[in-house]
Amino acid sequence: EVQLLESGGGLLQPGGSLRLSCAASGFTLSSYAMSWVRQAPGKGLEWVSAISGSGYSTYYADSVMGRFTISRDNSKSTLYLQMNSLRAEDTAVYYCAKGLEMVTKSTLDYWGQGTLVTVSP
Amino acid sequence: EIVLTQSPGTLSLSPGERATLSCRASQSVSSSYLAWYQQKPGQAPRLLIYGASSRATGIPDRFSGSGSGTDFTLTISRLEPEDFAVYYCQQYGISPYTFGQGTKLEIK
Repeated sequence: EVQLLESGGGLLQPGGSLRLSCAASGFTLSSYAMSWVRQAPGKGLEWVSAISGSGYSTYYADSVMGRFTISRDNSKSTLYLQMNSLRAEDTAVYYCAKGLEMVTKSTLDYWGQGTLVTVSP
Repeated sequence: EIVLTQSPGTLSLSPGERATLSCRASQSVSSSYLAWYQQKPGQAPRLLIYGASSRATGIPDRFSGSGSGTDFTLTISRLEPEDFAVYYCQQYGISPYTFGQGTKLEIK
């Protein structure tokens, strides 16, 4: 059974940094692209970032480019999102999601339950 | 960036009725890299349709997707009580892999 478990969310001040983790089980992480998607309170879904199965290709939304870094450790079956220079508008539930294929041009077939990040003075 | 516009914003229907949800892209979505997701309150999104018309594993056949280029449709043939939720389309052909703003399907 595919499982994705996010962790690392919390409350922090603007300008701070945080690293989210997503522990994957039930499949071979290196065989699939992975993504982070966020949802601000009461709002819609916003795609944040994606990484290919190998980790060589990464993509970002304009809103986080230069501040967030996606990475993966396939040996630990874990996906990461390093978030720097956080802003109030980054407040959201962050979901990690598994791609259907190794390449990032891949729909998201399994999602974690999300971790809440709150950025507030 | 490809902007996806979903309509209507809210759709009020009764169980047993047919639902038609629209997703229009600001430019052509290559090779039908278009997906539909369902989200219920307090839950993560669930994949319904990918490649514009392929049903995901375990999705009932009352859900169907169609379209190409810039116009896509999600159809639910006969609404069940558990189908009332928010639906999102997403294009994953060109980064950034954008989502539409969502259509809320509510019970009339």
